[in-house]
Amino acid sequence: SQQGEEDPQALSIQEGENATMNCSYKTSINNLQWYRQNSGRGLVHLILIRSNEREKHSGRLRVTLDTSKKSSSLLITASRAADTASYFCATDPFGNEKLTFGTGTRLTIIP
Amino acid sequence: GAVVSQHPSRVICKSGTSVKIECRSLDFQATTMFWYRQFPKQSLMLMATSNEGSKATYEQGVEKDKFLINHASLTLSTLTVTSAHPEDSSFYICSAHPPGADHQPQHFGDGTRLSIL
Repeated sequence: SQQGEEDPQALSIQEGENATMNCSYKTSINNLQWYRQNSGRGLVHLILIRSNEREKHSGRLRVTLDTSKKSSSLLITASRAADTASYFCATDPFGNEKLTFGTGTRLTIIP
Repeated sequence: GAVVSQHPSRVICKSGTSVKIECRSLDFQATTMFWYRQFPKQSLMLMATSNEGSKATYEQGVEKDKFLINHASLTLSTLTVTSAHPEDSSFYICSAHPPGADHQPQHFGDGTRLSIL
């Protein structure tokens, strides 16, 4: 399966600043999902945005989706040290629950 | 919420050993589970789809005789890495999708770190 691209690959910011990560994908989608992975752990689901939605919020997280550009962004506001993790976008290109993951962004929050 | 448990969390063994990894859905039945592999600092790559009561379907390039999958019940899938070699060392993660409406996320186990000496 073809992976999506995420940028930046790595991002280091000071605690309290906002972090923005971008994801591009290649096929049409029903929805796009964002996951967080702490080092050496499994994935934790953050937000799912449907193809007919343009923006979605959950606490300090804001996700946008532009299907015309096949891209999505994840914004984390007022970052905390505990937000340090890798973040992945994922799509289900064929509607069969098989997820295709982006390359991921490693986010480091500096206290 | 839906919970997926994976065991063991870490395995270190000698080359040639076969290793079994379990993935359980704790509070829902999963007719389908997924196995992923993740190399250091890389993304997750889907290896295979585990289907309850039938054969697993493997992604291109994944050897089915190397990675044996059994999904004998609605809450348990196992991945056996047969005759493991150092190149099989990786992080293996399973996921399952609770039944019900569309647009629901996958739930992931905590992963198994496999190290072959």
